[in-house]
Amino acid sequence: GQQLNQSPQSMFIQEGEDVSMNCTSSSIFNTWLWYKQEPGEGPVLLIALYKAGELTSNGRLTAQFGITRKDSFLNISASIPSDVGIYFCAGPQGGSEKLVFGKGTKLTVNP
Amino acid sequence: KAGVTQTPRYLIKTRGQQVTLSCSPISGHRSVSWYQQTPGQGLQFLFEYFSETQRNKGNFPGRFSGRQFSNSRSEMNVSTLELGDSALYLCASSLLVETYNEQFFGPGTRLTVL
Repeated sequence: GQQLNQSPQSMFIQEGEDVSMNCTSSSIFNTWLWYKQEPGEGPVLLIALYKAGELTSNGRLTAQFGITRKDSFLNISASIPSDVGIYFCAGPQGGSEKLVFGKGTKLTVNP
Repeated sequence: KAGVTQTPRYLIKTRGQQVTLSCSPISGHRSVSWYQQTPGQGLQFLFEYFSETQRNKGNFPGRFSGRQFSNSRSEMNVSTLELGDSALYLCASSLLVETYNEQFFGPGTRLTVL
């Protein structure tokens, strides 16, 4: 089946720094979703991308749908302590409601 | 609008027992999906229900089953529990507008099998 390779696995940054993470696949996706999960909670949808080349922002977060439809990027600008969590990329397999997830990027922000 | 709710939040069972988890989707959402999250395997799709019918199924043994009711609420059942079934079980609902696949997750049920 389709797999998503997410990198980096973890990041340790200082408050105020910008963060960039990405997700790649050997298969084409028609939708890319970015989620954030905090301890003890379910993933929260941050950004949804539907069109190749699309660039979408949500506050300090910006995500891009790669032109090849096989990758996506998430950037966080001016990080703050509450950005701490695990960020997941996800995409629907075969156009169904079955989401395939990356393994996540664990973000730690030092105040 | 209330989010996805899951009950119970925590559950401890012993091997061989069975368990039923419940999920109430966001009002108006008719598709409910279930995922298993473990440190080793990450988030893995279990199954999806729409209009009381299972439309998609992941690669899990038959011990894992589910159903959806006419009010879109869903339950999943795991029979003959094994130690490896210890995980966070997440439910997600979606509105299914056109081809959008945005799924909104509940807080999960943490299942521990002893």
